[in-house]
Amino acid sequence: LAKTTQPISMDSYEGQEVNITCSHNNIATNDYITWYQQFPSQGPRFIIQGYKTKVTNEVASLFIPADRKSSTLSLPRVSLSDTAVYYCLVGPSGKLIFGSGTRLLVRP
Amino acid sequence: KAGVTQTPRYLIKTRGQQVTLSCSPISGHRSVSWYQQTPGQGLQFLFEYFSETQRNKGNFPGRFSGRQFSNSRSEMNVSTLELGDSALYLCASSLNGRGHSDTQYFGPGTRLTVL
Repeated sequence: LAKTTQPISMDSYEGQEVNITCSHNNIATNDYITWYQQFPSQGPRFIIQGYKTKVTNEVASLFIPADRKSSTLSLPRVSLSDTAVYYCLVGPSGKLIFGSGTRLLVRP
Repeated sequence: KAGVTQTPRYLIKTRGQQVTLSCSPISGHRSVSWYQQTPGQGLQFLFEYFSETQRNKGNFPGRFSGRQFSNSRSEMNVSTLELGDSALYLCASSLNGRGHSDTQYFGPGTRLTVL
């Protein structure tokens, strides 16, 4: 059983900021939150990982509130190439339990 | 640093045959995990190897097996193939698979088609 809950799908337009929220009510004290992006017939690509507050890298930001029961992946100014499935995962690596992910469609 | 590589990228087999897939992890990574991805079941964990030992196993029948070599390269084998084994098989590696910030990096996958 996946440890996370995400919206099944989201729509956006080019140039907009997209925020995908993930719920992980039973996150353990030591768990990190990791987001992956997957294009059809490709392996998931690591986007960002965080433990608390805010993490930012060259492609995304990750916001984690103090209670850590949810997290929000923020993609600034999306383009058509950001159309993909986004997975939120918690827990140690080695045995990742994937949920259904969020299918993001970016329209022109 | 080279990423995770998987060979072959595409494979077509017939029912009843067996198949072996190969995965080379990122240099220095000792944990290798395998996943199966199908449209109906999504991404499912098969097993994880660390230091040539299977450390975790998912809920798959015994027809699915794997091994890891001393250089951390890993193979998975599926015997007596069934139509339902058609899937994208993904390999992922991480430093040790236990650290809570130890990120898994995925390979491009092997697309297996069973006819």
